[in-house]
Amino acid sequence: SQQGEEDPQALSIQEGENATMNCSYKTSINNLQWYRQNSGRGLVHLILIRSNEREKHSGRLRVTLDTSKKSSSLLITASRAADTASYFCATDLKIYGNNRLAFGKGNQVVVIP
Amino acid sequence: ETGVTQSPTHLIKTRGQQVTLRCSSQSGHNTVSWYQQALGQGPQFIFQYYREEENGRGNFPPRFSGLQFPNYSSELNVNALELDDSALYLCASSFPGQGNTIYFGEGSWLTVV
Repeated sequence: SQQGEEDPQALSIQEGENATMNCSYKTSINNLQWYRQNSGRGLVHLILIRSNEREKHSGRLRVTLDTSKKSSSLLITASRAADTASYFCATDLKIYGNNRLAFGKGNQVVVIP
Repeated sequence: ETGVTQSPTHLIKTRGQQVTLRCSSQSGHNTVSWYQQALGQGPQFIFQYYREEENGRGNFPPRFSGLQFPNYSSELNVNALELDDSALYLCASSFPGQGNTIYFGEGSWLTVV
């Protein structure tokens, strides 16, 4: 079964706007990772946040983690057309040990130039 | 560039045939995992190899099997192909232990007809 569930599933925004995606999970995690996938291509790692961290930044990306609510959010600021892609959250679950990721269904983001 | 390379990039097989997909992990990464991603879905964990031993398996039948070699490269073998095996197969590599970034290759697109 899918562990991460992203919300919303599809997002269409104008270039320059911010895009926010949420992800929820059900059981304890070691860490949570966000990935980007361009159509038909592999997964590009964006950011990793550990279970004892609450917020992390990387360039135009901001990720938050709330372990009490079992949720995470990914914010892309000042979006660009090149940000058009699918975004997945993936949880590294404690029950499975290490480095085994459970993915959500993904958010499809379209940035309109 | 993630340093994870997969081959072939695309292939078409007939139902009932067998297929072998290959992966070279990023230098020094001794943990390799395989994921199946059906169209429009998030990746699903197939299994993981660590130091040439299977180290965890997802909900996939035994006709999905794998190997890891001393140089940490890996193979995914699928016997008795079914139409539902049509998917993008992703290889991922990492160092073992918690909190490590997991890097994915570009994937192998398998179509079963």
